[in-house]
Amino acid sequence: QVQLVESGGGLVKPGGSLRLSCAASGFIFSDYYMSWIRQTPGKGLEWVSYIDYTSTSTYYADSVKGRFTISRDNAKNSLFLQMNSLRVEDTAVYFCARGYKADSYWGQGALVTVSS
Amino acid sequence: QSALTQPASVSGSPGQSITISCTGTSSDFGTSNSVSWYQQHPGKAPKLLTYNVSQRPSGVSDRFSGSKSGNTASLTISGLQAEDEADYYCNSYATPNRVFGGGTKVTVL
Repeated sequence: QVQLVESGGGLVKPGGSLRLSCAASGFIFSDYYMSWIRQTPGKGLEWVSYIDYTSTSTYYADSVKGRFTISRDNAKNSLFLQMNSLRVEDTAVYFCARGYKADSYWGQGALVTVSS
Repeated sequence: QSALTQPASVSGSPGQSITISCTGTSSDFGTSNSVSWYQQHPGKAPKLLTYNVSQRPSGVSDRFSGSKSGNTASLTISGLQAEDEADYYCNSYATPNRVFGGGTKVTVL
C-alpha cells in the first residue's frame, strides 16, 4: 500500500535551517509529481511547493520562495524540503503528498517549530 | 496567493444534506477544473474526497459530490453521518500555483 513517511522535523531558532525528508513506498515514485503542504497549529492548510517527475520544474508559494528548496531522489524514492532562513511563522506541521493538482496520498506530517 | 473563502462552520442533522462553498477570483480558478476537496479529522492527515471538480477517488462514498459554477466551487454531503464531522478544505490549481481554502468545520447535530 502507498506510504509516505516524513522525518527531520524539530525545534530550530529563527534564521536557522532544517531539512525535511519523505520516504515513499508502495508506488512508482518517479511516475508522480510530489508536493509539500503545511498546516499551522489549529489553522488551515497552505501549499508550500511541488516538483515534477524528474526535478526539471519546481514551484513555490510566495511565502517561502527564495528560502525553501524542494528536491527528490527517484533512486531512493525520497522527497526533500531544505528550509533556510526560517521564521516564527514557518512553524507548522509539514505534510508530504503525492500529486500536485490534487493530493491522493498524504504522510502523517512532521512538526517544525521555529522559536527562540 | 490569498486563501479561497469558505464558511467557518456548517452544521446539519443526521440524514440531511449540507453544502460547503468555496469562493475565489478568476485568477484562482481561471478556466481550470482542477478543484479538489479534502476531509480532515482531528490529528489526522487530510483525505482526498473529490478532484477535477466532481470526480471521486476509488473508495470515497458517493455521498460526497463536488461542483463548480464560475468562481465558486461547492461540496455537498448528502445523508449526513456522525463520522462526517470534520474539517473540510477546498483547493484550486491554476498553473503553476495552488491555493487552499481557509477550511470549514462541519458539525453533525
